[in-house]
Amino acid sequence: AQSVTQLDSHVSVSEGTPVLLRCNYSSSYSPSLFWYVQHPNKGLQLLLKYTSAATLVKGINGFEAEFKKSETSFHLTKPSAHMSDAAEYFCVVRREDSSYKLIFGSGTRLLVRP
Amino acid sequence: SAVISQKPSRDICQRGTSLTIQCQVDSQVTMMFWYRQQPGQSLTLIATANQGSEATYESGFVIDKFPISRPNLTFSTLTVSNMSPEDSSIYLCSGRTDQETQYFGPGTRLLVL
Repeated sequence: AQSVTQLDSHVSVSEGTPVLLRCNYSSSYSPSLFWYVQHPNKGLQLLLKYTSAATLVKGINGFEAEFKKSETSFHLTKPSAHMSDAAEYFCVVRREDSSYKLIFGSGTRLLVRP
Repeated sequence: SAVISQKPSRDICQRGTSLTIQCQVDSQVTMMFWYRQQPGQSLTLIATANQGSEATYESGFVIDKFPISRPNLTFSTLTVSNMSPEDSSIYLCSGRTDQETQYFGPGTRLLVL
């Protein structure tokens, strides 16, 4: 069955250090993958998406993700964390049986220490 | 892109009552969806809101419990019926503007006592 797994429920970094949020997917075909961010008491915001174009995808706020088919991974990175990056991050895959339904990962809470 | 608003932003309800949540999109979207996010968990799709016809529900969700309307391209409602404490969740509306992107509303935080 199609799925997406976020390997860490919590990640804690110091401000100014790199961020790595890990995501693995399972899919029979070349998937469409997304990262969304949810700030406390806010809705979900799209950070970036991969739709079988360039494997390195740049998103908003300095985030980027690399699609690695051989590793079935789509990890989210940022060179330097900012306090405002503290939030919940969701890795999402588009369902293969539909052109629009999404499957959400369990989420990773990013904590940024001063 | 699309800007999506929801009303109410939060509510506290008594068990056995019903609550209707409204979702408004600022531009036409091809698809609208309703999700549930239970405390500390990820998002689960409830249903696809179809314009002018019955919604399409995911496994585990039924129309009697979660009736949905979508009278036009930019507006939809979700009703949570005969509520119990287990219905306490965040309910989110989303709209799809193209084949690959969904935009989400801020959510409605529901607490059932």
